[in-house]
Amino acid sequence: AQKVTQAQTEISVVEKEDVTLDCVYETRDTTYYLFWYKQPPSGELVFLIRRNSFDEQNEISGRYSWNFQKSTSSFNFTITASQVVDSAVYFCALSEGVLTGGGNKLTFGTGTQLKVEL
Amino acid sequence: NAGVTQTPKFQVLKTGQSMTLQCAQDMNHEYMSWYRQDPGMGLRLIHYSVGAGITDQGEVPNGYNVSRSTTEDFPLRLLSAAPSQTSVYFCASKKGRGNSPLHFGNGTRLTVT
Repeated sequence: AQKVTQAQTEISVVEKEDVTLDCVYETRDTTYYLFWYKQPPSGELVFLIRRNSFDEQNEISGRYSWNFQKSTSSFNFTITASQVVDSAVYFCALSEGVLTGGGNKLTFGTGTQLKVEL
Repeated sequence: NAGVTQTPKFQVLKTGQSMTLQCAQDMNHEYMSWYRQDPGMGLRLIHYSVGAGITDQGEVPNGYNVSRSTTEDFPLRLLSAAPSQTSVYFCASKKGRGNSPLHFGNGTRLTVT
């Protein structure tokens, strides 16, 4: 069975600090997809990134960057120079490959509450 | 584009009452699903559908029914509400049966007293 662990329940930082949100996953499949979603205080869920298991290149999008390491089964998310608007709950999620019946069941971690203060 | 629309936004039920949470999407997505979000537990899949007439159970299906008569709509029914079903419910859809990102509705906050 697939599992996603976000051990950090809550993180508080001061604006402009860098912060890394950890995500560790478990799966027996060799083909799988990892996602990050953001849930701001307004409550909606916003897709941030998808990464497949064959692409270990790190990705950077503005102040956001993602580090995927298959060797440690981790897909960590770093926000550089954090801002108050980054305050949200961030969820990491895992979906197994379509060929093995996956794609229909996205497993979420329990989320990390990020608070960015002035 | 409206995307994924959920109604109502808030609902209070008494134990034993029934109700239907509505979900509609206008993106012609084949896949639709229902999740519940509880504190400290993340989002858990209740039911999903890969197309009209096809539904299947997720991780926490007990106490909930679904049907998919059209591509656009995927209602979630609580036949006899229980306090354990107090939660925030999210409907989500995606294109195809692969690993496209989910598009979420804005959620329904349900309280069962």
